[in-house]
Parts: sequence; structure tokens; C-alpha cells
Amino acid sequence: GAGVSQTPSNKVTEKGKYVELRCDPISGHTALYWYRQSLGQGPEFLIYFQGTGAADDSGLPNDRFFAVRPEGSVSTLKIQRTERGDSAVYLCASSLLGSAGELFFGEGSRLTVL
Amino acid sequence: AQTVTQSQPEMSVQEAETVTLSCTYDTSESNYYLFWYKQPPSRQMILVIRQEAYKQQNATENRFSVNFQKAAKSFSLKISDSQLGDTAMYFCAFMSRSGNTGKLIFGQGTTLQVKP
Repeated sequence: GAGVSQTPSNKVTEKGKYVELRCDPISGHTALYWYRQSLGQGPEFLIYFQGTGAADDSGLPNDRFFAVRPEGSVSTLKIQRTERGDSAVYLCASSLLGSAGELFFGEGSRLTVL
Repeated sequence: AQTVTQSQPEMSVQEAETVTLSCTYDTSESNYYLFWYKQPPSRQMILVIRQEAYKQQNATENRFSVNFQKAAKSFSLKISDSQLGDTAMYFCAFMSRSGNTGKLIFGQGTTLQVKP
């Protein structure tokens, strides 16, 4: 497709389980971002990739969160030992280098930890 | 650290009327971008309008315009001739031009309902 694709759209898991969320950016976009949006709040930055490398991971809340982008395209956000506080919508966005902030967002993955 | 504040959690407007959404921000930088993003119920964020801090002229995109007051660190969005499709959550966002990471800092959002 032409837009940013995120899977799954919804994920329900139990506390302590491992979760992977996938993002397929727009073809040719070198920059990729993960944000977390809690209910009724604005998105919070998690991590930024330029190509294959994480250029800025200052928003990852703790070492249970990890993200990869091995071939510079698809990215996976991995959450270990999930906690109820991890429940949120995880948004992925991509952009062209130097696009001055025009990020193209996916529809997000809603994670619910029971 | 930069912060973005939207003090209006909810707003409503009649179809075809004009509404203004407020945003203030705090930064010590002089070179940055400001944005308004729209998030409809589908959850997909869409860029509405962008302002470069070094440009004095206010940005305009069709029915959407901004009032950028750099000294006051204020960045409001005006929607003219409101349409039902404008119903959404609106986020103000800041991006520093230093470091070139493209990282956005968002406000808490304003839910706008356009009434027929």
C-alpha cells in the first residue's frame, strides 16, 4: 500500500507476556519513528531510526522496550514482560530525510495488557 | 526541555462557522518548526499545517491558518467555514531544527466537534 502499515491493529495480552508490533513504512522513507499515545493524551516519542540505526532512543521508557529495523525498512517494536501501564496505542511514522517534520503516520497498534 | 501546552481539552463549533484552537510552547531555541496535526477517530494523524519559526508570515492552507506570535510563544489554529469532516482531535507539535532528528513534541490535544 501507499501508506504506513502497522500490525496488529489490536493486541490483547496478559501481564508478563512478550509482544511484537510491526511497522511497514512508506517505500523510500529513510526515517522511521515510534510514538506511544495513552488515552486522551498526545503522542510521546519513543525512538527514531535513520536507515538501520537507532539515531535517538531517548524516549524508550526502560530496558523492556526495544526496537529494530534490520534492513532499513520494516521495523519491529518489542516489549518484554509487559505491564498494565504499557497499555496504549503505539504509533509508527515515516518521513523523507529533510522533510521538515512532515511525518506520515500509520493507524497505530492498540495494546491492552490485562 | 521543550514543552507544548494546549489548554482547551474540548471545543465545539457550528458547521460553516470559524473556530480557533490555542497552543503555547516553551523553548530556548530560536530555530524550530511548529505544526498542527489532526487525528480523526481512525487514529491516523494527518499534517494540517506547518510554520517555520524564522518566517514572520503566518502559514495558510485553504481553510486553515495560524496566528504565530514568536515572542509570546503562541501558535493558534484558525479553522474557517468548519465542516463536519473537521471533527477530530487536534495536536499542536514542536520540532527543533538542531540535531535534525525530526522528533516531534506534542501537546495534550484538543477535541473539536463540528455540529450540523
